[in-house]
Amino acid sequence: QKEVEQNSGPLSVPEGAIASLNCTYSDRGSQSFFWYRQYSGKSPELIMFIYSNGDKEDGRFTAQLNKASQYVSLLIRDSQPSDSATYLCAVNALSGGGADGLTFGKGTHLIIQP
Amino acid sequence: KAGVTQTPRYLIKTRGQQVTLSCSPISGHRSVSWYQQTPGQGLQFLFEYFSETQRNKGNFPGRFSGRQFSNSRSEMNVSTLELGDSALYLCASSREQGAAAGNTIYFGEGSWLTVV
Repeated sequence: QKEVEQNSGPLSVPEGAIASLNCTYSDRGSQSFFWYRQYSGKSPELIMFIYSNGDKEDGRFTAQLNKASQYVSLLIRDSQPSDSATYLCAVNALSGGGADGLTFGKGTHLIIQP
Repeated sequence: KAGVTQTPRYLIKTRGQQVTLSCSPISGHRSVSWYQQTPGQGLQFLFEYFSETQRNKGNFPGRFSGRQFSNSRSEMNVSTLELGDSALYLCASSREQGAAAGNTIYFGEGSWLTVV
């Protein structure tokens, strides 16, 4: 059973601070890791993906991957009220034929307090 | 360019009925995947279609089915609806098959299904 675990929150962070979102996954064969943001009543939108160990930065967002620990994180610097949303961690599942659909965590609800 | 388009956006069905949802992928995208999102289970993969063939399937009963047409548009069908099928059904498209770092999937706005 492939699983992706996230703390459901809510995670409350003051405006301007760093928000840290964490995710663990069970399938060691997973190759690609994604962070999606979902506003209430809207569809998920991709923030960034990572597939190599280490850090990947894109603007205010940094994704971190540690395959040995099966751990992915997302840091949001200079948090803004508009960052308040549910953040979904997703991992590509693998089958004998290659990349499968995405396995999602249940999301972390992030609240940025002005 | 236009995003992933799903119709209808909202619908209410009675238990035991069947429903068909439609999805038009982003132009040039050949893969269409379907996901179900509920408060209890979160986002779950239903199936993926590429070149009119189902390539991958999640852990859902046979009441859930789909198809893809030659223009990459896709439909999914749920027969004998149950109360637990009430959910947001999301369609996603990508250029190639499979969710991978170099093959970003983009979601549509979803179809909200309520079964009463």
